[in-house]
Amino acid sequence: EAGVTQSPTHLIKTRGQQATLRCSPISGHTSVYWYQQALGLGLQFLLWYDEGEERNRGNFPPRFSGRQFPNYSSELNVNALELEDSALYLCASSFDPDTEAFFGQGTRLTVV
Amino acid sequence: QQQVKQSPQSLIVQKGGISIINCAYENTAFDYFPWYQQFPGKGPALLIAIRPDVSEKKEGRFTISFNKSAKQFSLHIMDSQPGDSATYFCAATLMNSGYSTLTFGKGTMLLVSP
Repeated sequence: EAGVTQSPTHLIKTRGQQATLRCSPISGHTSVYWYQQALGLGLQFLLWYDEGEERNRGNFPPRFSGRQFPNYSSELNVNALELEDSALYLCASSFDPDTEAFFGQGTRLTVV
Repeated sequence: QQQVKQSPQSLIVQKGGISIINCAYENTAFDYFPWYQQFPGKGPALLIAIRPDVSEKKEGRFTISFNKSAKQFSLHIMDSQPGDSATYFCAATLMNSGYSTLTFGKGTMLLVSP
């Protein structure tokens, strides 16, 4: 069974640009979570989607947004990139909100 | 506000030794405490988890000790092996609100020397 897949693996953008990160959950999973793992800060919760709806949002500015598609895959968009947005962005999926979430390998975003 | 404090930041243990990582939490409503293991270039993977109604849980060489009154929990890795070298994260959450409330510690980088 395929795990959570994220693309691209690495992404380099210039300050002010927009970045789009993609996540395919494990088959049958309807909940998708996005986390930011910045150096020295651990994992910070960004967004939670379930059944196509945004269910919860972490303490991040509105330029971090996303969506979940009918096939439960998800997209994270970061607008007006800032240098401090450089981080590993992790996606996780779960069968439902009450069960364990499994993480993908992440997208390494570098803003220069 | 850092709701889960993890220590130490890094740890070097000899092969065969015991690795101990400690975490403290603030929110007494947390009811699920998982530990994650992350290897370089990989996402975190669930290692072991505990609920506050038990004081200890053991799975193979990995043991979680939980002290509800002190709001602390710890991970013990017995007979540590070089393959255990990774970054370990403790976390805490409210299970009825899904993984969106999963609050992580800042991680401990463990190196097990041969």
